[in-house]
Amino acid sequence: EIVLTQSPTTMAASPGEKVTITCRASSSVSYMHWFQQKSGTSPKPWIYDTSKLASGVPDRFSGSGSGTSYSLTISSMEAEDAATYYCLQRSSYPYTFGAGTKLELK
Amino acid sequence: EVQLVESGGGLVQPGRSLKLSCAASGFTFSNYYMAWVRQAPKKGLEWVATISTSGSRTYYPDSVKGRFTISRDNAKSSLYLQMNSLKSEDTATYYCARHVMDAWGQGASVTVSS
Repeated sequence: EIVLTQSPTTMAASPGEKVTITCRASSSVSYMHWFQQKSGTSPKPWIYDTSKLASGVPDRFSGSGSGTSYSLTISSMEAEDAATYYCLQRSSYPYTFGAGTKLELK
Repeated sequence: EVQLVESGGGLVQPGRSLKLSCAASGFTFSNYYMAWVRQAPKKGLEWVATISTSGSRTYYPDSVKGRFTISRDNAKSSLYLQMNSLKSEDTATYYCARHVMDAWGQGASVTVSS
């Protein structure tokens, strides 16, 4: 099983601040996928195939990485970005998610 | 518009069974692998099952293998999750999703408690 380790677990960012969330895999994966979830709602696809933004995702978000190290970056934090972000690998079964990164507005 | 609507959740005693359903619309259901993902209260996401387009292939993590069965009815555009021998640790919101997880339902709450 591929274990995904997200960091940080929680963080707070000020409006306009750059944010980076990392996801490290215990074995190499082909792509990483990211989801945004706000309290009481279903997860939303956010970034797929490592760097492609899902429909409606602002272009201040970006994704990058390869092999065992991936990241999600927000170039300039906005209030609406406060949420929990999860990474997911679908390269091999069992599919696994990271534990999540809770991003709060400072 | 892609829609996935789960139903069948509820309170069930440990050791008993429950079957979840997911009604799909807005896309050609039979062309897509489908999946179930769950989220325990205040916890992260866990993949639970995947089924191929025809239903001939299914995949599960060890945590539910042998207890849960994913199935589908392409004629009804419906996905199912039969959950047997339920445990307290199966308490979660269960989401129906397209396999590539580009579309999710609103979730069905399952509570396993005596």
